[in-house]
Amino acid sequence: EAGVTQSPTHLIKTRGQQATLRCSPISGHTSVYWYQQALGLGLQFLLWYDEGEERNRGNFPPRFSGRQFPNYSSELNVNALELEDSALYLCASEGALLYSNQPQHFGDGTRLSIL
Amino acid sequence: AQSVTQLGSHVSVSEGALVLLRCNYSSSVPPYLFWYVQYPNQGLQLLLKYTSAATLVKGINGFEAEFKKSETSFHLTKPSAHMSDAAEYFCAVSMNTGFQKLVFGTGTRLLVSP
Repeated sequence: EAGVTQSPTHLIKTRGQQATLRCSPISGHTSVYWYQQALGLGLQFLLWYDEGEERNRGNFPPRFSGRQFPNYSSELNVNALELEDSALYLCASEGALLYSNQPQHFGDGTRLSIL
Repeated sequence: AQSVTQLGSHVSVSEGALVLLRCNYSSSVPPYLFWYVQYPNQGLQLLLKYTSAATLVKGINGFEAEFKKSETSFHLTKPSAHMSDAAEYFCAVSMNTGFQKLVFGTGTRLLVSP
């Protein structure tokens, strides 16, 4: 069974550009979570999608957005990139039983570097 | 709001020595607690989880953790460190509320010397 897959592995952008990161959840998982892991800041919750809807977002500006497709894959879009957006972006997926506290399964991340 | 504190950003042990990584949580309700490990350039892998069953939880790779409500702790231990254990370890807490959102500690980097 394939795990959570993220693409691209690395992404290099310049300030002001836009970045799109992609995530494919484990087959059968309907929830997708995005986290930012920036140097010195630890893991910060970004967004939660379930059944195609945004369910919750962390304390990030609106230029961080995303969507979930009918096949439950997800995109994270970051507009007007700033230097401090440089980080490892992790995607996690979770099974359909929202209240069962099933552990989240993580992908290997996309490393976004802003020059 | 729940939070997690990991004491020590770096822990160094010798191969074969006891590994102890500390995690304390704050929560107004009984939490769900997790330990994840992250190897370089990889995502997070679940080591073990506490979900209000047994207070001593055994995980993969010989790790275990004990939930102590009186101390609000969930420390991770391994009797004998191996070189392959060198990685970053994250403690995380999740509430049994209407949505799932792991709150992570800041991580502890485990260094293992020969």
